[in-house]
Formats: sequence, C-alpha cells, structure tokens
Amino acid sequence: ETGVTQSPTHLIKTRGQQVTLRCSSQSGHNTVSWYQQALGQGPQFIFQYYREEENGRGNFPPRFSGLQFPNYSSELNVNALELDDSALYLCASSPRQGVGETQYFGPGTRLLVL
Amino acid sequence: DQQVKQNSPSLSVQEGRISILNCDYTNSMFDYFLWYKKYPAEGPTFLISISSIKDKNEDGRFTVFLNKSAKHLSLHIVPSQPGDSAVYFCAASAGGIRGGSQGNLIFGKGTKLSVKP
Repeated sequence: ETGVTQSPTHLIKTRGQQVTLRCSSQSGHNTVSWYQQALGQGPQFIFQYYREEENGRGNFPPRFSGLQFPNYSSELNVNALELDDSALYLCASSPRQGVGETQYFGPGTRLLVL
Repeated sequence: DQQVKQNSPSLSVQEGRISILNCDYTNSMFDYFLWYKKYPAEGPTFLISISSIKDKNEDGRFTVFLNKSAKHLSLHIVPSQPGDSAVYFCAASAGGIRGGSQGNLIFGKGTKLSVKP
C-alpha cells in the first residue's frame, strides 16, 4: 500500500511567479487536505477537497487554489507568489472527512520564494 | 490570536524518565484533540487522540490527559526513549473525529522533545 506522496520535494521560485504542488493520496482515500507550515509554526489549514469538490477553506486568499482529480490526487496552485509564501506545504489524505488515525500526511514540499 | 498554544518550544529529558508535553486551548467549541509527532523531512504522524467526553486516553507508553475546565491537555510519555526525539504538535478540532466544520485541524506551534541516552 503506497502512502501519501508529494512532488516536488523542494522548489525555488521568485516573487510574482506561480507554482503548482502535487499530492497523491493513499489508495482508497477520497479526501485531501492541504496545510501550510511556516518556519517555527504549526501547520495551518488551507483547504480540503472531498470527492473533487472543495469542502472547506481556511484563512487564505483566493490566489491559493486547488483541484482534486477523479483518482483523488490533488494539486495546490499559488499565484502571484509572495515572500511570506515560503513554507513547507503538507497534504493529508483520509478515507472520508476524518482526522486523526485515519488521516495520513505526506512528507511535504518545501517552497522558497526569493 | 492562537487558539492552540504550546508554550514550551523545547523539552529535554533523560532516557527512561517521563516526558510531559503541555498544550492549552482557548476555543470552548473544540471537542476532539490530537497529538502528532514529526521527524525532520517527514510529515506529521498521528500519535494519540482524546474526545472531550473523556479525561484520559492511554496507548502503550503514551497517555493524554484532558482538563476541560482549564482548557488544558498534556501528553505523557513513560518511559521516554531516544527514538521519541521529535517535534510534537497538539491539534484540536471543533467537529469531532470528522474535523472542524471545514474539515480542518488547528495546530499548536510544536514542542521539540530531546531524549538523551
């Protein structure tokens, strides 16, 4: 059974550019959540996708957008990158809209915006 | 304003002794609390959880205590082992095991535990 994978592992972009991060959910999982973890902070909820629909959103501007595909993999898109977008981006999948022992996190994508 | 607070950025403990990690919260709507462990270059891993209807949950060496009146929870690790060295995050949900109304978790900033041999 393959766990949650994310690509790329690291990424460097310049201010104003756009970035797409990818997440492959664990087999059988139909829910994907995205989190941003800035240095020295805990993960902060961006949004959740459930069966290809956005199911909830945290306090992030519209330039943060996402997609979930029929195979339940997901993308996080960030437009007009700002320096403060530099962070570790984590995705987590679960078999339904659950947290805790049913939810698995990927290793994250570390984004650096210069 | 932080809804989940872990006021100790770091904790150092001798192998075999007890580790106590603390977490405070402000939102009385939280009804499900979780602890995650995170090693460098890995995603957080679920450790243990507790529902607000309980005051204690135990799983092997790990016990979580919840004091709702004080809005405080703690994670006890007994005995501590060097492999327990990691960053521990406390998280809370206002929607039970399904996550908040938006499916989200609110995380603290984490406590870095170092267990020395």
